[in-house]
Formats: sequence, structure tokens, C-alpha cells
Amino acid sequence: EPEVTQTPSHQVTQMGQEVILRCVPISNHLYFYWYRQILGQKVEFLVSFYNNEISEKSEIFDDQFSVERPDGSNFTLKIRSTKLEDSAMYFCASRASGGAPNYNEQFFGPGTRLTVL
Amino acid sequence: DQQVKQNSPSLSVQEGRISILNCDYTNSMFDYFLWYKKYPAEGPTFLISISSIKDKNEDGRFTVFLNKSAKHLSLHIVPSQPGDSAVYFCAAKGYGGSQGNLIFGKGTKLSVKP
Repeated sequence: EPEVTQTPSHQVTQMGQEVILRCVPISNHLYFYWYRQILGQKVEFLVSFYNNEISEKSEIFDDQFSVERPDGSNFTLKIRSTKLEDSAMYFCASRASGGAPNYNEQFFGPGTRLTVL
Repeated sequence: DQQVKQNSPSLSVQEGRISILNCDYTNSMFDYFLWYKKYPAEGPTFLISISSIKDKNEDGRFTVFLNKSAKHLSLHIVPSQPGDSAVYFCAAKGYGGSQGNLIFGKGTKLSVKP
């Protein structure tokens, strides 16, 4: 069964450093998302991406964040200068196009645990 | 601003009995609802969903009920099994304009005791 994969599983970084979190969405999916979950809190939407551009972003997704689809398979989230409060689990998700029977369902990767020291 | 609320942080059920997980929402523009199951150190796994035009959807042991007038949905698991022990998230998708980003509740931790 196709699945969303994410690397690394755990990233430790110093405050102020740049990090890039990587995701490989399901191959025939067209919509891509990043979410995060701070320990003990709910999963929060960060950004959605479609047709090679950001389609929607939350207030969390400020100028320190960027996303990119550098090739046909990868989808990355970059945090330019990490802060302590960026420590969280970051989940990538993807979903199929409107013509697919399950187009409302987002499939999540296993997550990257980001720890900012 | 909690648009999706799961008011029970935890639920404990005996194996073989029914588990009922509840979710309330405030935004009448939500048009699709999903339940995800999450084990520690894993990503949310899609479980079952329901469109706002329906009031029930069933898939094996899992049934989701939607009461639009009450802005309430529930997930029934019957019979419950120890392997169902996980955190269950209710999520809602907005209608039109958005690219389908999901708004999650805080989750309910289900423990099924043998």
C-alpha cells in the first residue's frame, strides 16, 4: 500500500539554525500539507501546496517557514532560523485530486520530531 | 478558538464492549469530517470519514454518526479490541476556498482493557 514517508525521523538542532524536513508524498497525489503537533497539544495546520505553489497557510507559517517541491517526488519544509518553540512533531500529508473516490482523505507520514536546543 | 472539540481526553472500555468517542464542532461550513487514529511516535492514520450530507457511515467495526443540527459527531467501535487502544482525533474540512486543510480536535485516548 502506498504511503507517505518522512526523513529524518528525529532532528536535533541549535536555536537559530536552519532545518529542512523532507517528505515523499504518495506518488499520484496532487495536494500536499504540513502540520505540526507540539507535545501535549493538538495537530495544527501549517500550509497547503498545490500546483507548485502555496494555496493556504496558517498564522503559524510566518516568514521563517518555506516549502518547496524541488523535484517530482519530494516536498520539503524549511525553517530558516529555528526557535525553541518550533520544537514539535512535523507531519507531512498528501491527498488525491478531486476525481479520486477518496479525495477528501489526507494520508499522513510518520512525522519528524524536531528538537530545538 | 476551538472549532473542533473533543471534550473527553480519555476513555476506558472493556474488550468486546462498545467504544463511543464524541466530537463537537462550531463551524457550520465544515463539509467533511474524518476520524484518525494515532499511536505514539507515528503519524495519524485515516480511519473513517463522513460527508456533511450524510448522517451515518459504516466500515466494519467502525461507524461514524453525524448530527448536523447539534453540530456533533461520534465514532462507535464495536466490538472494541485491545489493538484499538490509541489516541483518536476528530478532524473537519472546510467548504470551498480552502484546499482541504484539516482542523483537528485535541484527541481522545482510548484504552481497551482485555
